[in-house]
Order: sequence, then structure tokens, then C-alpha cells
Amino acid sequence: SAVISQKPSRDICQRGTSLTIQCQVDSQVTMMFWYRQQPGQSLTLIATANQGSEATYESGFVIDKFPISRPNLTFSTLTVSNMSPEDSSIYLCSVGMGGGEKLFFGSGTQLSVL
Amino acid sequence: AQSVTQLGSHVSVSEGALVLLRCNYSSSVPPYLFWYVQYPNQGLQLLLKYTTGATLVKGINGFEAEFKKSETSFHLTKPSAHMSDAAEYFCAVTTNSGYALNFGKGTSLLVTP
Repeated sequence: SAVISQKPSRDICQRGTSLTIQCQVDSQVTMMFWYRQQPGQSLTLIATANQGSEATYESGFVIDKFPISRPNLTFSTLTVSNMSPEDSSIYLCSVGMGGGEKLFFGSGTQLSVL
Repeated sequence: AQSVTQLGSHVSVSEGALVLLRCNYSSSVPPYLFWYVQYPNQGLQLLLKYTTGATLVKGINGFEAEFKKSETSFHLTKPSAHMSDAAEYFCAVTTNSGYALNFGKGTSLLVTP
């Protein structure tokens, strides 16, 4: 299994600012993902964080708004840039190990933008 | 690409009654299917998953689901609902070739006394 530490667990931010969310895994993993869960909604995949290369973004998400870093096999960051109240969501990190059946989620970052 | 559809955004059952939450999938390759539960103000918790092998999968808290390829379904059931089962339930799908999950819109389960 994998233990995922996600920081911060919650934050309240001002409009126009940026927040960087960190995801640390206790073992090396091939695949890391970032999801967003807007209030009362399901989870939506933002991007796949690729180690050593640019992240792969899903439709509707762009690098300028959600830059992602993946410097090694145990760590990734997601930045929410130039925030607006519409960015208020829970952001979750997820990792995959040993095939698609082994998927783990972090506890999430609850972001509120005023 | 694979996707799931959860039928019914809200389901209400009486305590002690059968719980049935519906999930249908679409996938061009053999799917891996998951059910997650989210209690109010908490993170996701894996209830159960189907990858290969036995099509009836048992999970935590008395829940089980059956993979039916002919019906492209993976419905979640529990014989007797408990008040503590009230939560949001998400069905999700991925494949062996990828780890990114596609989630359904979720079903909110209400359990009444």
C-alpha cells in the first residue's frame, strides 16, 4: 500500500492569489494524479503528473491555471493560480501502484477562495 | 475511453431495508470497477473493487457488488441498511493499462428510521 501525505489540509485564500498543494508518498510510484471535487459534485481528473516531463491535462484544465510539478517518484505539487471563488473545491492527490487495481487517495486539500 | 453512470442521484431507504445503488459502465477493454464512500466532511474511502476473478465482490461494512458483463453493471448492495450508511457513494472505473479513475456523479444515500 501507499501512505499519501497531502498539505495543506485546508486553506482560505484571497481572490487573485495562488496556492501550492503538496503530495508526498512514502514509496516510489509510477503514476500520480490530481483530482478536483467541487462542492456537491463528483471527482474530476485534472491531470496526470508525469515524472520528468510536463503533466498531461484533461479537457477543461490548462497548465497556466494548474501548473504541476513532479520532480521525483515520490512527490508532486499542484498550484492553483490566480484564484477565484469558483476554484473553491477539494483537491486530491492519487497514486497508482502495481496495475490499475492499486489506487490510493490523499486526504485532500479543502480550498476556499474569498 | 471508459465511463460510469450512476442511476439516481438520491436514494432513500428505511433502516433495515435493502440498499441498492446502481452503476453501469462503458469500457472498450476489461474494466476495473470501484465503489467509494464519502461521509460528510471526510475523504474518500474504498468500499470494494472488482479487477478480475470472482464477479461477486465483498467489501467493508457489509456491502457487496456484482460485476455483470452482460449487463455492463456493477451495482452496490447491502442487505440491511444502517443509519451510519448515510453518505455519498461513488462508482468509478479504470483499466489495467491506466490508473486514472473516471467517477460517476455520485449517489446520496439517505437512511430513515
